[in-house]
Amino acid sequence: SQTIHQWPATLVQPVGSPLSLECTVEGTSNPNLYWYRQAAGRGLQLLFYSVGIGQISSEVPQNLSASRPQDRQFILSSKKLLLSDSGFYLCAWSDPGGTTNYGYTFGSGTRLTVV
Amino acid sequence: AQSVAQPEDQVNVAEGNPLTVKCTYSVSGNPYLFWYVQYPNRGLQFLLKYITGDNLVKGSYGFEAEFNKSQTSFHLKKPSALVSDSALYFCAVREPGSYGQNFVFGPGTRLSVLP
Repeated sequence: SQTIHQWPATLVQPVGSPLSLECTVEGTSNPNLYWYRQAAGRGLQLLFYSVGIGQISSEVPQNLSASRPQDRQFILSSKKLLLSDSGFYLCAWSDPGGTTNYGYTFGSGTRLTVV
Repeated sequence: AQSVAQPEDQVNVAEGNPLTVKCTYSVSGNPYLFWYVQYPNRGLQFLLKYITGDNLVKGSYGFEAEFNKSQTSFHLKKPSALVSDSALYFCAVREPGSYGQNFVFGPGTRLSVLP
């Protein structure tokens, strides 16, 4: 079966420090991968998605970047964090063929607090 | 472009009473529809989906939803609410044959079940 791992679960970082959040998927090949941010426990904002290694699409211009160095690995990064980067970050994957559940499967999330 | 609306930010219901969380959508053609639930500081969990077939779909934890094509709705229901059902609920839509990022989430509805 497919599983998705996201870490760390919580992170407190000072303003101006770098960031690296990692997400990996097991049990599937060539998944579509996504990074979302959720502010104040409400709506989901799609930040990045990837349909293959090295292929990253950005939905929102911001202080963050994403990379996909391996088929099932998706990394969210920042060179210098801002206070406004605080939030709950969620990784998700979907089957590009649309035949596995048809929907998205989410990781457990990372609570990032920038201080 | 597809879209999803959840007209209620908050739904309050007494334990043991029936609950309804509303969702309407706009999409070209026949949609794939989903409900997800999110507990505090956790990722989204899949509840149920409508792909095709019977308009009434049953999901996890006793939830069900009815697809109404004429009203373009996919309301989430449960006959008897539990305090443990208190969470944030997201409706989502995907166009058949669409892959990648074409999965749209509603803004979320916070359900509070009062003891």
